[in-house]
Amino acid sequence: QQPVQSPQAVILREGEDAVINCSSSKALYSVHWYRQKHGEAPVFLMILLKGGEQKGHEKISASFNEKKQQSSLYLTASQLSYSGTYFCGSSTDSWGKLQFGAGTQVVVTP
Amino acid sequence: EAQVTQNPRYLITVTGKKLTVTCSQNMNHEYMSWYRQDPGLGLRQIYYSMNVEVTDKGDVPEGYKVSRKEKRNFPLILESPSPNQTSLYFCASSRRGGGNQPQHFGDGTRLSIL
Repeated sequence: QQPVQSPQAVILREGEDAVINCSSSKALYSVHWYRQKHGEAPVFLMILLKGGEQKGHEKISASFNEKKQQSSLYLTASQLSYSGTYFCGSSTDSWGKLQFGAGTQVVVTP
Repeated sequence: EAQVTQNPRYLITVTGKKLTVTCSQNMNHEYMSWYRQDPGLGLRQIYYSMNVEVTDKGDVPEGYKVSRKEKRNFPLILESPSPNQTSLYFCASSRRGGGNQPQHFGDGTRLSIL
């Protein structure tokens, strides 16, 4: 079963913050985050492994709560370049299957 | 330049006419995978391969075949395409297993099956 993302869409003004959530019903080994701009391929942002560590990429950071099987992506002081669709991916082991959520569309306006 | 190359980028074809979408990576990656992307459904994994001659089903393998005879290539075969396979397809690769490695995606192949 695919992880569930929320919200489905968010509109921000430049400089505002947003949080995207990703939850799974399975015990997870890792959570991935990718961003896809219109007409392009998804681009890797970060991976979080079991252990609840927080990672960062520019002003984008994420956390992973393995007890709750949830991850959150934090967009801080958003920039126009942050617009796109964000996908979380989850895996129950280090090897094979990677399942993605349906995506969260983020629009940052001037 | 490190990249994942898919061909063709666009294809319009008819029901039942066998087709192959090629995927090649030049990063010596062990893991390769195919996804389809449909509106509202995100990316769904079709097949993945952990190394040469090792492949396994993802979540939506029905109607597709794959093979991994060489490390760099991972073609996706539609033996008898049907309209419900109209979609945007992505190939991806990573250094090792898909669970703990960043996935590098190709530019995508848009298939229309009439």
